[in-house]
Amino acid sequence: GDSVTQMEGPVTLSEEAFLTINCTYTATGYPSLFWYVQYPGEGLQLLLKATKADDKGSNKGFEATYRKETTSFHLEKGSVQVSDSAVYFCALSLNTGGFKTIFGAGTRLFVKA
Amino acid sequence: GAGVSQSPSNKVTEKGKDVELRCDPISGHTALYWYRQSLGQGLEFLIYFQGNSAPDKSGLPSDRFSAERTGGSVSTLTIQRTQQEDSAVYLCASSLRTSHEQYFGPGTRLTVT
Repeated sequence: GDSVTQMEGPVTLSEEAFLTINCTYTATGYPSLFWYVQYPGEGLQLLLKATKADDKGSNKGFEATYRKETTSFHLEKGSVQVSDSAVYFCALSLNTGGFKTIFGAGTRLFVKA
Repeated sequence: GAGVSQSPSNKVTEKGKDVELRCDPISGHTALYWYRQSLGQGLEFLIYFQGNSAPDKSGLPSDRFSAERTGGSVSTLTIQRTQQEDSAVYLCASSLRTSHEQYFGPGTRLTVT
């Protein structure tokens, strides 16, 4: 079945370090791919998305490229800040008569000053 | 404008009791989703409503769970004869029919004692 696998956390980095959170997916058809972020005490919010192969989503210094050949959508940021500490969820959405979305388990990121 | 709202924000109930959780989607959003987020886990899809179409109930974990959406707007998730394993944060999200992007509410934290 359709699924999303992302790297287990927590991930702990120092400020200004490079971030990569891996995400791979299994899907029938051609899904749209998303990264959602959940800051402490807040609800989930969309961080970025890509709707077709080779698209790059970007927002707030974060980037992810839709790689169909490797079925991946890894999240990257060149220089993290303490304020990036949050839980990051990779997700896919398929148009199967509705837009059912499947989420990964989430990766918690801690950034130390 | 107003985002997705959920009530109550917290609910503590005794095992065996019924509970109702409410979601008010963003005005104009025809799609509405319910998810469950258990401690340290990802989001588990429960049910999806799209306009007047029959809902996708494929994620409901048992027949103790049901949901309705009145007038294409407000939705209520009902859990009958609650069990301790039902303890979780229940999240509601809404989206435009033509968009995959989901907007999440703050969630209802349910604790079954």
